[in-house]
Amino acid sequence: NAGVTQTPKFRILKIGQSMTLQCTQDMNHNYMYWYRQDPGMGLKLIYYSVGAGITDKGEVPNGYNVSRSTTEDFPLRLELAAPSQTSVYFCASSYRGLASDEQFFGPGTRLTVL
Amino acid sequence: KQEVTQIPAALSVPEGENLVLNCSFTDSAIYNLQWFRQDPGKGLTSLLLIQSSQREQTSGRLNASLDKSSGRSTLYIAASQPGDSATYLCAGWNSGNTPLVFGKGTRLSVIA
Repeated sequence: NAGVTQTPKFRILKIGQSMTLQCTQDMNHNYMYWYRQDPGMGLKLIYYSVGAGITDKGEVPNGYNVSRSTTEDFPLRLELAAPSQTSVYFCASSYRGLASDEQFFGPGTRLTVL
Repeated sequence: KQEVTQIPAALSVPEGENLVLNCSFTDSAIYNLQWFRQDPGKGLTSLLLIQSSQREQTSGRLNASLDKSSGRSTLYIAASQPGDSATYLCAGWNSGNTPLVFGKGTRLSVIA
């Protein structure tokens, strides 16, 4: 199993550009999550999904959108990139609910908005 | 709002030493707790999960415990090795439907 994979690994965007961060898991997990990690800070939850077709906001959802059309994929969309979105983005998954099970993380996408 | 504090923020020890990393929650009603390791420029690797019915978990040289009455957790690393050098993060849930709340981590350096 590859686990949780993310693409791209690095990206530089100009202010106002848009992009999609890709996340795929091959563990047949129901729950998937997007976090951002700013330097010296803990991870913050952006969005999560409890299954295909169902998503919900986390702590810091503004400026982002998600969709979940399949169990495996959970892309994160940035529509109008802003410097405040410069961060490292992590996708994670778990088999059961938010507090019920171990979360597994992808390697991250390092995004810089200039 | 739940907040997580990890002490110390950074730690440097000689190889072979036993060490303890600390994690505390402002709201002691912790449901589950997970410890992670993060290497520079890498993702998070799950180390130990303490579920609601448990008080501690062990994996090899690692032992994590959770005192729910005080909202404190410790990660004990025995006989530290240079390969243990990384940032260690703790994260907890207050209930079944709340997001995982992370600490800022402890950066550990084990010197050969």
